[in-house]
Amino acid sequence: DAGITQSPRHKVTETGTPVTLRCHQTENHRYMYWYRQDPGHGLRLIHYSYGVKDTDKGEVSDGYSVSRSKTEDFLLTLESATSSQTSVYFCAITGMEDHGYTFGSGTRLTVV
Amino acid sequence: GQNIDQPTEMTATEGAIVQINCTYQTSGFNGLFWYQQHAGEAPTFLSYNVLDGLEEKGRFSSFLSRSKGYSYLLLKELQMKDSASYLCATPPLYSGAGSYQLTFGKGTKLSVIP
Repeated sequence: DAGITQSPRHKVTETGTPVTLRCHQTENHRYMYWYRQDPGHGLRLIHYSYGVKDTDKGEVSDGYSVSRSKTEDFLLTLESATSSQTSVYFCAITGMEDHGYTFGSGTRLTVV
Repeated sequence: GQNIDQPTEMTATEGAIVQINCTYQTSGFNGLFWYQQHAGEAPTFLSYNVLDGLEEKGRFSSFLSRSKGYSYLLLKELQMKDSASYLCATPPLYSGAGSYQLTFGKGTKLSVIP
């Protein structure tokens, strides 16, 4: 199996608190992505990275920030969590355009 | 990004054949992916089409018509374990920054019944 792990797997947090989700890969892939998945919306891109310290916004980036200080780790931060950010968050990696993504197992985040 | 359309739900009988359709905007086309996602799990890669025609991979086949902005996933000899959501996805025109980000359809939930 591809070496990609997400942590935590589940988290419940209160509105207004900061939250950081971690994606770790051992494949040395250049490209990493954060998506959220919600009923009726499917998977939507939050942010992505194309190298260390190289990141860009996706379709639904408001309220989120990311950092990639080394190839292996891509962090997603919710600076001040809101109930609308309750979702399942998936990290994905890819090394080549025709091989598609490999997804992490996901983080189920609940903001109460 | 691409507008991608696929049916929300489908039901089919074990042992039968089912075709799941996907339409997308043709501008800036750069390949089409299919993923399978079982409930509560992560999506997994099924196929990638960049040229017109049918590509077969065991019980699963994927078809692409670039001129029509149309793809389908064909599942033969359906098994109960094929009950899952099937997502089609396409990248935007390659940006030069090297991103390969994908835009996903909302997925088709397939239920296989005995």
